[in-house]
Amino acid sequence: EDQVTQSPEALRLQEGESSSLNCSYTVSGLRGLFWYRQDPGKGPEFLFTLYSAGEEKEKERLKATLTKKESFLHITAPKPEDSATYLCAVQASSGTYKYIFGTGTRLKVLA
Amino acid sequence: SAVISQKPSRDICQRGTSLTIQCQVDSQVTMMFWYRQQPGQSLTLIATANQGSEATYESGFVIDKFPISRPNLTFSTLTVSNMSPEDSSIYLCSVENRYGNGYNEQFFGPGTRLTVL
Repeated sequence: EDQVTQSPEALRLQEGESSSLNCSYTVSGLRGLFWYRQDPGKGPEFLFTLYSAGEEKEKERLKATLTKKESFLHITAPKPEDSATYLCAVQASSGTYKYIFGTGTRLKVLA
Repeated sequence: SAVISQKPSRDICQRGTSLTIQCQVDSQVTMMFWYRQQPGQSLTLIATANQGSEATYESGFVIDKFPISRPNLTFSTLTVSNMSPEDSSIYLCSVENRYGNGYNEQFFGPGTRLTVL
């Protein structure tokens, strides 16, 4: 069964304290792995798509990496405005191309 | 990227009634989806809204409970029928752009927060 697991569930960081969020997945053929940011009361905001092991994408303080079993979202020198829930999803390369989401990591960055 | 709007943004409804949620996209898209996000939980796909044909429902979701329309490539509706408190959730519309090189992106609307009393 296709599955996505994110860890930790919640993370509190001091401003400037770098860290990584983990997304482990099992899927019958990976079409793509997606990272989203979700602020309270809003829909998820697209951040990155990764397609193959070894691929990396960067955007401001965020960097996403991908292996055959997991993805990491590295946050460098975070700021309070980076506080949000970060969601990971995978899309299988077979069947209906359905997206499967993890439960997210709630990140709180303290000033 | 696509700009997606949803109406209503929130509603409080009585048990046994129905609510129709509208999703409007600023450009033509091939794929449109409806998700549910219950408090503290992940997003669960309800169905894929197919233009000009019946929606494709995921396991656990049926057309009688969640009828979906998609009359064109920029608009879709989701109806939550005969509501119960268990239907209280955020309902999200999303669209996917698929490019010829295999690259694809999925964008979400702002969501509709539904509370059923």
